[in-house]
Amino acid sequence: QQQVKQSPQSLIVQKGGISIINCAYENTAFDYFPWYQQFPGKGPALLIAIRPDVSEKKEGRFTISFNKSAKQFSLHIMDSQPGDSATYFCAASVRGTYKYIFGTGTRLKVLA
Amino acid sequence: EAQVTQNPRYLITVTGKKLTVTCSQNMNHEYMSWYRQDPGLGLRQIYYSMNVEVTDKGDVPEGYKVSRKEKRNFPLILESPSPNQTSLYFCASSSPGRGQPQHFGDGTRLSIL
Repeated sequence: QQQVKQSPQSLIVQKGGISIINCAYENTAFDYFPWYQQFPGKGPALLIAIRPDVSEKKEGRFTISFNKSAKQFSLHIMDSQPGDSATYFCAASVRGTYKYIFGTGTRLKVLA
Repeated sequence: EAQVTQNPRYLITVTGKKLTVTCSQNMNHEYMSWYRQDPGLGLRQIYYSMNVEVTDKGDVPEGYKVSRKEKRNFPLILESPSPNQTSLYFCASSSPGRGQPQHFGDGTRLSIL
């Protein structure tokens, strides 16, 4: 199964709060899991990425948590800011290829 | 400035009229890819190319063609466009190595009537 299931579809968070976006997959051939951020009228931009041999990766206010046994990974945005308001996509890449499967996206709105 | 440039940015056309969306990158990247973005479906990969003359199908290649004759260019061809190909299209490129970030263009919005 090639899908990557992403939730929630939309999320509203108060400034300073924690935003959490979840993704789940079935295909054990996935071995690279990036998150992309997209602002209106722009293409997606890589935010942070993780490989399944690591359970957590942190870059500034952004953290990926990875649960290999559950085949789930999530993005946590700490101290969320209005400038973080964007659409976020999780993705997975098939081992040995440049084939990418993206989630359906989460529209995040951070209220000032 | 490092960038991925897509043309046109917007196009309205009719069913069956062949069209080409161009993509050019100035970063000397080996890898390039095309995606389409539809509401509720996220981004879906159409085709990708690991280098000149090397291309492979993504998840939704039907109705599309690509070619990679030069490293910097990766055009997307719709030989006989249909209304179900109305979408927002993105081209991306990256350095070799699967951990390298993909750099996306700003998108091409195609409407096929």
